[in-house]
Amino acid sequence: NAGVMQNPRHLVRRRGQEARLRCSPMKGHSHVYWYRQLPEEGLKFMVYLQKENIIDESGMPKERFSAEFPKEGPSILRIQQVVRGDSAAYFCASSPPGTSGRRNEQFFGPGTRLTVL
Amino acid sequence: GQNIDQPTEMTATEGAIVQINCTYQTSGFNGLFWYQQHAGEAPTFLSYNVLDGLEEKGRFSSFLSRSKGYSYLLLKELQMKDSASYLCAHNTGGFKTIFGAGTRLFVKA
Repeated sequence: NAGVMQNPRHLVRRRGQEARLRCSPMKGHSHVYWYRQLPEEGLKFMVYLQKENIIDESGMPKERFSAEFPKEGPSILRIQQVVRGDSAAYFCASSPPGTSGRRNEQFFGPGTRLTVL
Repeated sequence: GQNIDQPTEMTATEGAIVQINCTYQTSGFNGLFWYQQHAGEAPTFLSYNVLDGLEEKGRFSSFLSRSKGYSYLLLKELQMKDSASYLCAHNTGGFKTIFGAGTRLFVKA
């Protein structure tokens, strides 16, 4: 059973370009989470999605950032018109269905390191 | 509000025992997690506590006191490979997990 997959592992963009980060959850998992981590800082929650639905996007910046988890295919975190401050590691995690109210262990992908020049 | 506090860094000696503390404030609580994260890698799950008390798993143990908003991770027989960041996190009762900034543990010979 493959783990959570993210690609690309490293992404370099110039200011003003778009960044697309992909996440394929573990097989059988229907919950996807995106986190941002700046160097030597903790994980900052961005968004939680289920298939075709955004459940909680309270950690997403109001502008330039969007996320989706379509019925088919990976979850996408999209950053438009990137700025240097967007440089960070972006981690995706997934969890299986049916964990509401109980243990909600998340399985993390290897992350995408975004560098904005 | 929701807030997690844990020490920024700790240093310990190989073979020793170290305790990493975590305090939290939250309006909703559904469990306390500890994750390990090596530099440049993804976090990996270590432990989960939802009831008060101590959970032991090999060299690692985790303790929770809900009334005090307090948890600790205890690492015994430290090994060099235990040098990593340890993230305290709590689930708020829904699917949202809030992470602390992490404690960087340095294990020296």
